[in-house]
Amino acid sequence: EAQVTQNPRYLITVTGKKLTVTCSQNMNHEYMSWYRQDPGLGLRQIYYSMNVEVTDKGDVPEGYKVSRKEKRNFPLILESPSPNQTSLYFCASSPTGPSYEQYFGPGTRLTVT
Amino acid sequence: QKEVEQNSGPLSVPEGAIASLNCTYSDRVSQSFFWYRQYSGKSPELIMSIYSNGDKEDGRFTAQLNKASQYVSLLIRDSQPSDSATYLCAVYNNNDMRFGAGTRLTVKP
Repeated sequence: EAQVTQNPRYLITVTGKKLTVTCSQNMNHEYMSWYRQDPGLGLRQIYYSMNVEVTDKGDVPEGYKVSRKEKRNFPLILESPSPNQTSLYFCASSPTGPSYEQYFGPGTRLTVT
Repeated sequence: QKEVEQNSGPLSVPEGAIASLNCTYSDRVSQSFFWYRQYSGKSPELIMSIYSNGDKEDGRFTAQLNKASQYVSLLIRDSQPSDSATYLCAVYNNNDMRFGAGTRLTVKP
């Protein structure tokens, strides 16, 4: 089944404890992206990747890191999480770029206390 | 600041009626426009994409784009209770993807 998977789905952590949210797609898509969704603000792009080893900042990259060492994986790293990073996070992929349909993962709900 | 604006709703329509969802955007050179549907607790899924001025129809859904007015809309004909969801407008230009905050639609039986 073609899909985007994220792990973990739910995470409660404490301020400053490094964490990684994994994202994997099995559709051989070149483009992958991370978004956060907050009430009243909609989806905001954090980072995106056009292909392996090619990443770029989105609208709200502060406090986040990403890497794209393999085509299928695009992990999101929070080196020192803070409470303002409490949010719902979505990973998405697209065959060639966001000008076409993006396929979203199931989401990761992160709470930082 | 490039923005995508939507009425947050909730928009309530009776079953069988036409639901009209609207979106305005600030970036004049935007190229691609999308409507995503998001059920509560789920991830967004694409309903329609539109790239040129005019109407695009797909089943009960019609997307309308007016680049001169920087306006894109989604019409849902014969609305069903299963259409109850939040509808996200998305606008793309030059690697910049922007989403509106969404309009919550409720279709009452």
